[in-house]
This record gives sequence, structure tokens and C-alpha cells, in this order.
Amino acid sequence: QVQLKESGPGLVQPSQTLSLTCTVSGFSLTSNSVHWVRQPPGKGLEWVGAIWSGGSTDYNSALKSRLSISRDTSKSQVFLKMNSLQTEDTAIYFCTRSGYYSGGGFAYWGQGTLVTVSS
Amino acid sequence: DTVLTQSPALAVSPGERVTISCRASESVSTLMHWYQQKPGQQPTLLIYLASNLESGVPARFSGSGSGTDFTLTIDPVEADDTATYYCQQSWNDPWTFGGGTKLELK
Repeated sequence: QVQLKESGPGLVQPSQTLSLTCTVSGFSLTSNSVHWVRQPPGKGLEWVGAIWSGGSTDYNSALKSRLSISRDTSKSQVFLKMNSLQTEDTAIYFCTRSGYYSGGGFAYWGQGTLVTVSS
Repeated sequence: DTVLTQSPALAVSPGERVTISCRASESVSTLMHWYQQKPGQQPTLLIYLASNLESGVPARFSGSGSGTDFTLTIDPVEADDTATYYCQQSWNDPWTFGGGTKLELK
């Protein structure tokens, strides 16, 4: 079945770079897009960006200058890198995928990984 | 970017009908989706493409709308429906979420 699992450092110092990995199973990255969504503690959901089946990417306008999403299809992994981290980037980061039927509705979610930006 | 506006909170009694609205700053056609999120959990898809019920979701949930105005309806509301509900559009790039509506039961 479709599964996504996020992994990452947990704690990152301000101004440093965040690196997260989403490891997927049950589907191919060359046939499906994977998206990142984040949620600051006690706040709402924010779409971060996506890597499409063909390898192209789209990013949240406010994060675009600091963000990079890439993948390794042989390892079924998607990577998020965000530089110049600030305390406002503290959030749970989810990777997610839409269903073939759902037209962009995210039917599959990882459990999320909490990233805390603090010195 | 397409801004999705939701009312911050609603309070209803069990057994009542509740409508949660989402207004888009520009047309999103019918590419609007709804999620339920309970504390400490990831969101779950309830409605996709404005009006289609996700598999396994109770028929008490329904969605409607097109263009810029969308509604999620729960009828009747049950105690377990206490959660925050989010709309999300996938018509315009970048994709965006609404700010969420927190549903409380009286």
C-alpha cells in the first residue's frame, strides 16, 4: 500500500540549512508527484512545494528563494532543503501525495516530522 | 497566489447541521478539497474535487460549490467531528490551503 515517511534532524540552529527526506513505498516517483506541507505549532497548514512525476518542481512563493526539492527515484526518496532557517520555520513537516482519482486532493500523508529551529 | 478564506471557528450541538465555508480570491474551478485534522494527527481527506466523498468517509459529510465559493456540510454533526477543517485548492499554482475552521461541539 501507499506509504510515506519523513525523516530529519529534529533540531536545527537559526541560519542553518534544513534537510528532510521523504521515503515512499507502494508507488513510483516517476508516475506520481510528492508534495511537502508544513504546520507550525498550533497553526494552520501551509503548502511548501512539490516535485512532479517528470522531475519539475513548484514552490511556495514566500519560500521559493530558500527552498529546493529533489529526488532519487532509485531509492524512492524525495528531499527538501531549506536554507537560512528562522524560528518561524519551526513546524511539523509532512510529505503527501494525491490519489490518481482526487485531482490534487492529498489522499496519502506521512506521519510528519517536527523541526524545531532554535539555538 | 490564491487566498482561501475560512471562518476561524464554529460551535454547534450534536445532531445539528453545520456548513463550513471557503471563499477563494479567484476561481479554482472545482479543484477544491476538504480535510479534517484532529490534534496530534495528520490531516485526512474528506472531499475531493469539490463534491466527491473520499472512500471510508461517512455520508454525513458532503461538499458543494464551484468557482470561488465552496461549502463543506456535516449533517448530522456527531461528537467525534470535533476537529479543524481545511480547504485546499489545486487549480492555481502555487497550491494553497485555507486558514482552517475549528469546529467545537456544545
